[in-house]
Amino acid sequence: GAGVSQSPSNKVTEKGKDVELRCDPISGHTALYWYRQSLGQGLEFLIYFQGNSAPDKSGLPSDRFSAERTGGSVSTLTIQRTQQEDSAVYLCASSFFEQTEAFFGQGTRLTVV
Amino acid sequence: GDSVTQMEGPVTLSEEAFLTINCTYTATGYPSLFWYVQYPGEGLQLLLKATKADDKGSNKGFEATYRKETTSFHLEKGSVQVSDSAVYFCALRSPPRGSNYKLTFGKGTLLTVNP
Repeated sequence: GAGVSQSPSNKVTEKGKDVELRCDPISGHTALYWYRQSLGQGLEFLIYFQGNSAPDKSGLPSDRFSAERTGGSVSTLTIQRTQQEDSAVYLCASSFFEQTEAFFGQGTRLTVV
Repeated sequence: GDSVTQMEGPVTLSEEAFLTINCTYTATGYPSLFWYVQYPGEGLQLLLKATKADDKGSNKGFEATYRKETTSFHLEKGSVQVSDSAVYFCALRSPPRGSNYKLTFGKGTLLTVNP
């Protein structure tokens, strides 16, 4: 596609439910990143993929968070048993090679009520 | 670990004023440095970058110089416009350790330019 696509753009969920957030990177991009943007907290790194493997998962806040990437393309971020503190904008980015510019999607705004 | 510290906002300026947003970093080795901008209702986009010491990145009238001696990458613009109102993020990418090319961001600075 023309850019990084994320879906859904908005998600409201009840506390305790599981959610899946999807990221379609730019075609051919090998590196894929997930970040979380909370008010006043800037961009918090969650996880990075090189191809289908994740060299760095250090930013995942708890074991309720997991992510996978298949076929070196689409990635899914899953949050189990959501909590109100999970409410944030979740951003995905991809880059052609690791050292080149990262392009960001529009994000998924998650609200846990 | 790697970290980026940028001046806290919000910053409010009048049109045609001079802008400086300070950014300092802590990293191992020689990182690449970036400024990203997020306009209202839009995603983050790269504004400019510098990959080695003394490099100057520039775009849309904005400039930033990679200063290794002061570990800084301050963003400047000589004359801001209302359309520059946005959140600005300083970021770094350290040389890879293993295969890790993580981007580390500052907390962002909200700039509002009034007519």
